[in-house]
Amino acid sequence: GAVVSQHPSRVICKSGTSVKIECRSLDFQATTMFWYRQFPKQSLMLMATSNEGSKATYEQGVEKDKFLINHASLTLSTLTVTSAHPEDSSFYICSAKPDRGVNTEAFFGQGTRLTVV
Amino acid sequence: RKEVEQDPGPFNVPEGATVAFNCTYSNSASQSFFWYRQDCRKEPKLLMSVYSSGNEDGRFTAQLNRASQYISLLIRDSKLSDSATYLCVVNGWNTGNQFYFGTGTSLTVIP
Repeated sequence: GAVVSQHPSRVICKSGTSVKIECRSLDFQATTMFWYRQFPKQSLMLMATSNEGSKATYEQGVEKDKFLINHASLTLSTLTVTSAHPEDSSFYICSAKPDRGVNTEAFFGQGTRLTVV
Repeated sequence: RKEVEQDPGPFNVPEGATVAFNCTYSNSASQSFFWYRQDCRKEPKLLMSVYSSGNEDGRFTAQLNRASQYISLLIRDSKLSDSATYLCVVNGWNTGNQFYFGTGTSLTVIP
């Protein structure tokens, strides 16, 4: 089946530093990818929709200057958490939906567990 | 109002029981519906798509009611391995084809 690779799987960083998370679709093209955040015992919350070649669309309440998204190719989107703080510690997951086909499922990366100390 | 709403549970059921989850969605223009399963500290994985006519996969049955805007998942003969969080997912009403998740329903199957 289709595979989405997310890297790194786990990162610990100091407060004030920036962290970049990569999301790659390995065997399909995805014009659109999605970034989610999940706090403990809560559901996935959509942060932003990443669009290849154009600006990302952010959900209400998500700071676009803090969570920088770049979708430079049809198989790669990156999320950079800038000036990270402990409250940014969370599980970040990307997903991608193949461009081909209709009503297809979304495939998820393995997630990145970010801990800001 | 949230795009997708689910009863978070938890549901604690004995092995062999039948359990049902419901989910409602707010936008009547939604196009695609799915149930995903998420195990603790892992990414969600597709359990099954939900079709208008209803569909069944082994012990799992999914149904869609467009008129009432709800989706259901029925699990028969529960197994210990069914313990997980079940996420209702709705897709498609905005440009950009976003997937929106319910809060998830926690299921624990007890021996």
